[in-house]
Amino acid sequence: GENVEQHPSTLSVQEGDSAVIKCTYSDSASNYFPWYKQELGKRPQLIIDIRSNVGEKKDQRIAVTLNKTAKHFSLHITETQPEDSAVYFCAARYGNNRLAFGKGNQVVVIP
Amino acid sequence: KAGVTQTPRYLIKTRGQQVTLSCSPISGHRSVSWYQQTPGQGLQFLFEYFSETQRNKGNFPGRFSGRQFSNSRSEMNVSTLELGDSALYLCASSLGLGGGSEQYFGPGTRLTVT
Repeated sequence: GENVEQHPSTLSVQEGDSAVIKCTYSDSASNYFPWYKQELGKRPQLIIDIRSNVGEKKDQRIAVTLNKTAKHFSLHITETQPEDSAVYFCAARYGNNRLAFGKGNQVVVIP
Repeated sequence: KAGVTQTPRYLIKTRGQQVTLSCSPISGHRSVSWYQQTPGQGLQFLFEYFSETQRNKGNFPGRFSGRQFSNSRSEMNVSTLELGDSALYLCASSLGLGGGSEQYFGPGTRLTVT
């Protein structure tokens, strides 16, 4: 069935260090993988996405990598800043054209 | 363009009552998806509407229903409320069907059932 798992559930990093969040999915037919950032009390916001025809995508300090063989994709945040503190959700598109979300990762950037 | 809007932002209801939530998508977007968000459970998919038709449905009981109007605005209804229905209800709009298109979320409606 549709299953997206995120690891770790909580991640604390020192300001300036890198943070990596990994998600695994179960449906090999999945072809679209967005990442959302949700700050406390705010709506989830799309920060980056990747489709299955590419292996990596970058946008300034954020990057996403996709390993279709292993069925996992990761969010990389470099040079972390306090404003990166938030809950990050990954999602995967399934064959019935819907998104399944992971349970979220709490990222805490320590100044 | 104006973003996705949801009304009301907060609701307090008692068990057994029913509630209707509203979502107005970004202008031009034809798909509206609804999600339930609870602590530790992430976003649970409720259903998706596209061109006034329900295209996808999650694993929620029949007490949860929805509809979409010709202007793409959508409503979600929950009947016979239970304590466990307390959650943040988010809607998201997209140009095409939500699975492969970028989804943009509204601010959510915080429902508390007492």
